[in-house]
Amino acid sequence: AQSVTQLGSHVSVSEGALVLLRCNYSSSVPPYLFWYVQYPNQGLQLLLKYTSAATLVKGINGFEAEFKKSETSFHLTKPSAHMSDAAEYFCAVTLFMDTGRRALTFGSGTRLQVQP
Amino acid sequence: KAGVTQTPRYLIKTRGQQVTLSCSPISGHRSVSWYQQTPGQGLQFLFEYFSETQRNKGNFPGRFSGRQFSNSRSEMNVSTLELGDSALYLCASSLAGIESLQYNEQFFGPGTRLTVL
Repeated sequence: AQSVTQLGSHVSVSEGALVLLRCNYSSSVPPYLFWYVQYPNQGLQLLLKYTSAATLVKGINGFEAEFKKSETSFHLTKPSAHMSDAAEYFCAVTLFMDTGRRALTFGSGTRLQVQP
Repeated sequence: KAGVTQTPRYLIKTRGQQVTLSCSPISGHRSVSWYQQTPGQGLQFLFEYFSETQRNKGNFPGRFSGRQFSNSRSEMNVSTLELGDSALYLCASSLAGIESLQYNEQFFGPGTRLTVL
């Protein structure tokens, strides 16, 4: 079955430490992959996306993600966490539905805490 | 450029009532998608509209419906509300829709928080 999985519902890092948020997907055809961030009481903001160009994708706010086809992964990283990075992060994948059309399917989300 | 706006931002209803939520996309965007966000089920796709036509629908009961007007504004309606319909309903707009997300971006509104008592 097609799906997207985020490992770890909560991740806590110290300010200045590496951020690593994991995302794995299952799809019968090459998907488009996205990372979104959601701050409290706000909608989602696109951080970055993979659309079959370069496998290492750079996004906003210093985030980047690497598409690894062999591992069906699209993990999000940031070398040095900032207090303002505290938010919920969602991995999303375009998957085909029974309708034959693509829909954006989201992972369950990872809440990132940044400790001072 | 104004972002995606959703009205109302907060809504409280009782079981059995119906509710209509509104979404105004970014000017020029022809695609509007709706999502339901709950703590238990996460973010789930409801439907997508493009140029007044429903292009795709998620796995939700028929109580959930929507429409899009000629100015691309969209409404979604939930009839016979149930407690489980309590959620944040997010609307997103894009130029050409989900099928073309490799070329364009989907912008999300702040959501409407619906509480069903």
